[in-house]
Amino acid sequence: NAGVTQTPKFRILKIGQSMTLQCTQDMNHNYMYWYRQDPGMGLKLIYYSVGAGITDKGEVPNGYNVSRSTTEDFPLRLELAAPSQTSVYFCASSYSQTVQAFFGQGTRLTVV
Amino acid sequence: ELKVEQNPLFLSMQEGKNYTIYCNYSTTSDRLYWYRQDPGKSLESLFVLLSNGAVKQEGRLMASLDTKARLSTLHITAAVHDLSATYFCAVDRGGSEKLVFGKGTKLTVNP
Repeated sequence: NAGVTQTPKFRILKIGQSMTLQCTQDMNHNYMYWYRQDPGMGLKLIYYSVGAGITDKGEVPNGYNVSRSTTEDFPLRLELAAPSQTSVYFCASSYSQTVQAFFGQGTRLTVV
Repeated sequence: ELKVEQNPLFLSMQEGKNYTIYCNYSTTSDRLYWYRQDPGKSLESLFVLLSNGAVKQEGRLMASLDTKARLSTLHITAAVHDLSATYFCAVDRGGSEKLVFGKGTKLTVNP
C-alpha cells in the first residue's frame, strides 16, 4: 500500500517564487492535514480538510493555500516564498479524528 | 490557547532501565496522541488515548491518560537501543481537528 505520498522530497526556492507541494493518499480517508516542522520543534498545523470541497485554517495558515477537489489529493500552495517558510512539511490523513493519522515522508523546503 | 508541554525534552538512558515521559496540556481535551519520529523520517502513530483512565501498551511502551490532571505519560520498560527516537504527544482542542503538538522528547538509549 502506498499510504500517503508527498512530492517533492526536497526543494530549494528563491524568495518570491511559488510552488505546490503535492499530497495523495490511497486509503479513502476523509481527513487530511498539512503540518510544518521547524528544527527542534513539534508540528504546527497549517490547513486541514474534513472532506472533498471542505478546507479550514490551522494554527499557521498565513502564506499558504490549499484545495481539496478530490478525496485523494490535498495540495499545499506557497504563493510568494519567504525564508520563514523554510521547514519540513508533512501531509497526513486519517479515517476519523479518533484513530491514528498516517503521515507522508515529508518535503524539506529551503527558501533562499 | 491550548499549550502542550513535554518533559524532559532530552533523555539519555541505559539499556534495561525504566523511565517515564510526561505530557501536560493546558485546556480540557479528551483526545491525546503519541507519535514516534526517527531522525530525518516521518511520524509514526503509537497510541491514541480517547478517555480518562485510558491505558494502552505496545511492547516496551505504555501510555496513559488522566484528563482531570491534564496529563499523559509514556512509560518505557527495560529500554533497548531501538527505542531511540523523538517522541511527541499531541492534543486536540476539545472536539476540533486542530492538533497541538508538544516539542518532543529526544530519547537516546545507550548500550
